[in-house]
Amino acid sequence: DVKVTQSSRYLVKRTGEKVFLECVQDMDHENMFWYRQDPGLGLRLIYFSYDVKMKEKGDIPEGYSVSREKKERFSLILESASTNQTSMYLCASSTRTGSNIQYFGAGTRLSVL
Amino acid sequence: SQQGEEDPQALSIQEGENATMNCSYKTSINNLQWYRQNSGRGLVHLILIRSNEREKHSGRLRVTLDTSKKSSSLLITASRAADTASYFCATADFGNEKLTFGTGTRLTIIP
Repeated sequence: DVKVTQSSRYLVKRTGEKVFLECVQDMDHENMFWYRQDPGLGLRLIYFSYDVKMKEKGDIPEGYSVSREKKERFSLILESASTNQTSMYLCASSTRTGSNIQYFGAGTRLSVL
Repeated sequence: SQQGEEDPQALSIQEGENATMNCSYKTSINNLQWYRQNSGRGLVHLILIRSNEREKHSGRLRVTLDTSKKSSSLLITASRAADTASYFCATADFGNEKLTFGTGTRLTIIP
């Protein structure tokens, strides 16, 4: 079974703090994704990576950056957290060969106060 | 950008009844997928249908795809309380590793 692990289920941070969300997958997948999920807006892609050290902006990259130094790990960074970044963050991975089926972590619910 | 739009946004039915939810999309696709999300959790892949397929079954799930209307439907037969969740469609474009998710249908099964 594919396992995608997000480091925290719940996180509370202060405005202006630097926040790191970590995601690790154990299936040697090439692609990794970060989404945020807000009520009524569905999943919106923040960034994705198709290889180590490679990244591509998604639909809403502003205020975020990412890091992929190892194939299994994809980090989402909020350089200076703001209240409008309070959300559910979901990490996913997929293999490049095949059908784009994505495997998700359990999510991190981030509150920025 | 949101490609898939699910309809209805919310659905409540009695246990044992069938649940149908629909998804519309805007551009040509390689495949369309359905995912389930239990409250406060990540998404789980349910079923995939390719653009050259019209219908697919998996257990109590039946998915149809009409590429001329750019729409898909997910039917869950003989619903159970454990089917209570949000359901999302996602489309994959040709040559693109990304998926575009819809806004989801929240399904509640009443025991």
